[in-house]
Amino acid sequence: DIVMTQSPDSLAVSLGERATINCKSSQSVLYSSNNKNYLAWYQQKAGQPPKLLIYWASTRGSGVPDRFSGSGSGTDFTLTISSLQAEDVAVYYCHQNYSPPPTFGGGTKVEIK
Amino acid sequence: QVRLVESGGGVVQPGRSLRLSCAASGFTFSIYPMHWVRQAPGKGLEWVALISYDGNTKYYADSVKGRFTISRDNSKNTVNLQMNSLIGEDTAVYYCARGATLLGEYVFWGQGTLVTVSS
Repeated sequence: DIVMTQSPDSLAVSLGERATINCKSSQSVLYSSNNKNYLAWYQQKAGQPPKLLIYWASTRGSGVPDRFSGSGSGTDFTLTISSLQAEDVAVYYCHQNYSPPPTFGGGTKVEIK
Repeated sequence: QVRLVESGGGVVQPGRSLRLSCAASGFTFSIYPMHWVRQAPGKGLEWVALISYDGNTKYYADSVKGRFTISRDNSKNTVNLQMNSLIGEDTAVYYCARGATLLGEYVFWGQGTLVTVSS
């Protein structure tokens, strides 16, 4: 199974500042035939189901604000919130859908400093 | 609009069984793979099982293999999760989610149903 390791476990960022979350996979999730990384990011607010933010490592989901961006390839990935807003307080998860079983990272809790 | 509504959760004793259902609407159910993902209280997300659009391909997490069975009825737009031999570690909110591809990212999620395994 591909193990997804997120860091940090939590971070506190001032409003308007940048938040950066890292995700490392135990093996590459890059599909060479189409050059796509099968890596997604989700946001989960308290008491709600997760919401898809990013797929293919860097493609924003429908309606996702452009302050959210994803980058990386192979085994190392980053989710960046360029200017943290109050409504971004949540837990963020990375997820690989490259090979079965699909696996999630342990989550990163983002709070306001 | 797309809707996924889970049902069937509740309190069950260890060793007993429970069947969860997810009713889908607002899209062509029969062409999408469906997944179950769970979340233990205060914990992260754990993928549980998936079923292909036609029901011919199924995968399970090692933690539930041999105890849980996923199935679907494309005539009724439902996906089910039969859970047998339940243990305390199965206590969680269970979400159904629509896969973009067989293993794929989940644009649509249900609100979840809580399963509590306790004597």
